[in-house]
Amino acid sequence: GESVGLHLPTLSVQEGDNSIINCAYSNSASDYFIWYKQESGKGPQFIIDIRSNMDKRQGQRVTVLLNKTVKHLSLQIAATQPGDSAVYFCAENIRAGSARQLTFGSGTQLTVLP
Amino acid sequence: KAGVTQTPRYLIKTRGQQVTLSCSPISGHRSVSWYQQTPGQGLQFLFEYFSETQRNKGNFPGRFSGRQFSNSRSEMNVSTLELGDSALYLCASSLTGLNQPQHFGDGTRLSIL
Repeated sequence: GESVGLHLPTLSVQEGDNSIINCAYSNSASDYFIWYKQESGKGPQFIIDIRSNMDKRQGQRVTVLLNKTVKHLSLQIAATQPGDSAVYFCAENIRAGSARQLTFGSGTQLTVLP
Repeated sequence: KAGVTQTPRYLIKTRGQQVTLSCSPISGHRSVSWYQQTPGQGLQFLFEYFSETQRNKGNFPGRFSGRQFSNSRSEMNVSTLELGDSALYLCASSLTGLNQPQHFGDGTRLSIL
């Protein structure tokens, strides 16, 4: 049958406000997490990453928080700008023995309003 | 430094055909991984190559295969194409593997008629 498209969660924020994008991950064996930004017609662009031995990591205008207890990841963007409008994906990197798997969230569409 | 380059950007095939997609990684990167992105399933990991060997693999059928050359360039092949294979195929590279940020190309848009 015909597949149904993913319904992307959406987040609209005013320019200059802070944005928080959330992601729930599934596997307790995940030891590395990454946030990507994807603009229309382009491939995903790396934003920030965090390893499981950390709770928080900051970059330029972005902060990632990791809560391993509830398997939750968030991306905070400070002073959101029009250029931040894009789809944001979280990815979890699962280690199983010597093998690794990379699993992506469904994405959140961020729209920055003028 | 040039980014990840994927060719071709667009491709149209018919059911039953096969297709080969090409990826040139960032200079110095030895790990190349491939992904399928569709509206229905989102972004899914296909496989990763390092030093000409497939090191990690996602949950895709054997119709999807790849290889990596000694210069780290990689190709992905899909045989016996199905309508459901219509997707954006993305390639990414990193210095040593999946436990580092992946740098993506802009993908090859494959349409199956």
